[in-house]
Amino acid sequence: GNSVTQMEGPVTLSEEAFLTINCTYTATGYPSLFWYVQYPGEGLQLLLKATKADDKGSNKGFEATYRKETTSFHLEKGSVQVSDSAVYFCALSRVSSGSARQLTFGSGTQLTVLP
Amino acid sequence: DAGVIQSPRHEVTEMGQEVTLRCKPISGHDYLFWYRQTMMRGLELLIYFNNNVPIDDSGMPEDRFSAKMPNASFSTLKIQPSEPRDSAVYFCASSLSPTGARGYTFGSGTRLTVV
Repeated sequence: GNSVTQMEGPVTLSEEAFLTINCTYTATGYPSLFWYVQYPGEGLQLLLKATKADDKGSNKGFEATYRKETTSFHLEKGSVQVSDSAVYFCALSRVSSGSARQLTFGSGTQLTVLP
Repeated sequence: DAGVIQSPRHEVTEMGQEVTLRCKPISGHDYLFWYRQTMMRGLELLIYFNNNVPIDDSGMPEDRFSAKMPNASFSTLKIQPSEPRDSAVYFCASSLSPTGARGYTFGSGTRLTVV
């Protein structure tokens, strides 16, 4: 079946540090890949996505590249801010036989950025 | 568009009581999903609908849980009777068809506490 594995948190960084959150997936075929962000007390928001191999998704300074050869979609940001403190979820989406596509989420990684 | 709207934001109820959570998806979205989020289990898909029809309810924990979508603009998740272990944040999400490449739009969630 489909699955997503994220690096465990929590991750604590100082402001302006470089961020990497690892994500690897298991799926048949060619899923679409996503990163979602959840700020305290809110629902998940789509951060970025990639729909095919070698695509790079980017938004708000975050980037992730769809690597089919390593089945990975690591999230990176060159300089984090305090406002980036949130929980980050990696997810994949593909059509399952006999039903519509579903999102499969990783367990989430808590990021705290200190001033 | 106001996004996916969930109500109530917070619900505190006593064990054994019936609880009804409500969701209004984004107009035009053909798919609606109910998720549950807990610290122990992360995000779990409970059930999803396509064009108001339940497609997969295999994630519904037990018969105490039921979900309906009487029309394209409204869905409910009911727990009867509620138990303390049902305490969680319940999210509703909607998405466009036919592709999952655009991801889902989540509501802000309902935080349920069963005492």
